[in-house]
Amino acid sequence: KQEVTQIPAALSVPEGENLVLNCSFTDSAIYNLQWFRQDPGKGLTSLLLIQSSQREQTSGRLNASLDKSSGRSTLYIAASQPGDSATYLCAVSSNTGKLIFGQGTTLQVKP
Amino acid sequence: DGGITQSPKYLFRKEGQNVTLSCEQNLNHDAMYWYRQDPGQGLRLIYYSQIVNDFQKGDIAEGYSVSREKKESFPLTVTSAQKNPTAFYLCASSIKNMNTEAFFGQGTRLTVV
Repeated sequence: KQEVTQIPAALSVPEGENLVLNCSFTDSAIYNLQWFRQDPGKGLTSLLLIQSSQREQTSGRLNASLDKSSGRSTLYIAASQPGDSATYLCAVSSNTGKLIFGQGTTLQVKP
Repeated sequence: DGGITQSPKYLFRKEGQNVTLSCEQNLNHDAMYWYRQDPGQGLRLIYYSQIVNDFQKGDIAEGYSVSREKKESFPLTVTSAQKNPTAFYLCASSIKNMNTEAFFGQGTRLTVV
């Protein structure tokens, strides 16, 4: 059974710092991995999608990497801003067509 | 604007009542999904549908029912058989299945009173 783990559960950093969020999964037979952002009481916003054949994807200050063989993905946020404060969720798509989520990392960027 | 619309944003249910949560999308996506989110437990899949008039149970389908009569609509009914329905409910869609990018609505917060 696929399990997705995100570490740390919470992170607090000063503004301007570069940071890395981690996501690990137990079954390397995935189709893709997706990173989402969730603001309190809101839905999920898709940030980056990495297909299983890709190693990384970039969007603005965000860079996501995927190492399928080791079951790991990282989300790198450059020059963090207070507006980046949110919960970040990773999810993997399995051969059943389901999207399986980690429990998220709650990020606080202090001015 | 293209997107997924969930309504209502807040919903209150009395013990023993059925309630229906609405999810509509105008993205022309084939696949639609319902997730439940509880504090500390992440998102859990309730039901999903990959085509009109067909749907499958997810991991926690007991006490819930769905229909998919139209491509753009996937309503979720929380029945009285669901013993702990208070949660945040999220609807999602993707072009075909979860192997493509998923898009989420803004959620419905259901509270039992």
